[in-house]
Amino acid sequence: AQSVTQLDSHVSVSEGTPVLLRCNYSSSYSPSLFWYVQHPNKGLQLLLKYTSAATLVKGINGFEAEFKKSETSFHLTKPSAHMSDAAEYFCVVTPDNYGQNFVFGPGTRLSVLP
Amino acid sequence: EAGVAQSPRYKIIEKRQSVAFWCNPISGHATLYWYQQILGQGPKLLIQFQNNGVVDDSQLPKDRFSAERLKGVDSTLKIQPAKLEDSAVYLCASSSSRVSSYNEQFFGPGTRLTVL
Repeated sequence: AQSVTQLDSHVSVSEGTPVLLRCNYSSSYSPSLFWYVQHPNKGLQLLLKYTSAATLVKGINGFEAEFKKSETSFHLTKPSAHMSDAAEYFCVVTPDNYGQNFVFGPGTRLSVLP
Repeated sequence: EAGVAQSPRYKIIEKRQSVAFWCNPISGHATLYWYQQILGQGPKLLIQFQNNGVVDDSQLPKDRFSAERLKGVDSTLKIQPAKLEDSAVYLCASSSSRVSSYNEQFFGPGTRLTVL
């Protein structure tokens, strides 16, 4: 069975400082991993995905994540936060050989202070 | 291309009433999903359709929830009768490929249901 842990329910950073949102997963198979962002009253939007190719994945809006199998982690980072990054972020795991069975983490709310 | 459409965006009902949500996926997307997102939690899959057939409904409370996808395009999710704990955002998503494990799911804006 798959599961996702997002270690922080809320992260607060100042504009222009780095962002780190942590995600650990459990999967019986080699997983595919995703990060989605949800702005208030908007649908979920894909930020980036890991699909067993390069372990460092670059996404939209300057975000990237590194897959570390030994640590079962897929942390999301951004060098410099922008006010528009304030949103809810979800880490998602899906087992590679079943394809589309998304398991969401509980989410991390990112606040960006001026 | 147009995104996933959902209606209504908001719904307030009293417990024991019925409610229905509608979803129109991205054109050509064969797979459609309904998720329930309770406040403060990540979305939880309720049901997955492949064309008009059900792939996974293991987490759908079948005593009160039902869903259909006639003609393999639009879908409706119904709750009858509603309970207080059904208050949540109901998300619809679609994806284009049947067996790829790398599919992005495209999400609609959701329907926020409040049960009083």
